Amino acid sequence: AQKVTQAQTEISVVEKEDVTLDCVYETRDTTYYLFWYKQPPSGELVFLIRRNSFDEQNEISGRYSWNFQKSTSSFNFTITASQVVDSAVYFCALSESTSGSRLTFGEGTQLTVNP
Amino acid sequence: EAGVVQSPRYKIIEKKQPVAFWCNPISGHNTLYWYLQNLGQGPELLIRYENEEAVDDSQLPKDRFSAERLKGVDSTLKIQPAELGDSAVYLCASSLEPQGMKTQYFGPGTRLLVL
Repeated sequence: AQKVTQAQTEISVVEKEDVTLDCVYETRDTTYYLFWYKQPPSGELVFLIRRNSFDEQNEISGRYSWNFQKSTSSFNFTITASQVVDSAVYFCALSESTSGSRLTFGEGTQLTVNP
Repeated sequence: EAGVVQSPRYKIIEKKQPVAFWCNPISGHNTLYWYLQNLGQGPELLIRYENEEAVDDSQLPKDRFSAERLKGVDSTLKIQPAELGDSAVYLCASSLEPQGMKTQYFGPGTRLLVL
């Protein structure tokens, strides 16, 4: 069975600090997809990134970067020079190729960026 | 391009009353999902439609929940009768890509409070 663990329930930082959100996953499939979503107070889940299990290249998009390591089953998310607008709940999610695109979410990390 | 539309955004009802939620997916997206999100948790899949067909409803409590997507476009999720424990956010999502690679785009959700 697939499982996603986000051990950090809440993180609080001061603006301009770098912050890393951890995500560890469990799956028996060799083909799977990992996602990060952002959920601001408005409630809508905003898609940030998707990676497939065969692509371990790290990715950078502006102040966001993702580190995918199959050896440790981790898909961590780093925000560089955090801003107040980054305050939200961030979810890591997993979809196995055999699950028919069912997303299994972690419990989320509440990030608060203080001015 | 318009995103996933959901209505109503908020609903307050008394227990044992019926309630219905509506979702209109992104234009052209053939796959539609309904998720339940309890406070402080990640979303959990209730049902997935491929066009008009419900292909994954294993997590839908069928004694009180029902859903339909008659023309393969918009969808309605119904609860009858509602219970106190149904208070949660109901999220709708849609996707376009082939199975297994689907990136799901979410609507703003309907926040249900059952008194």
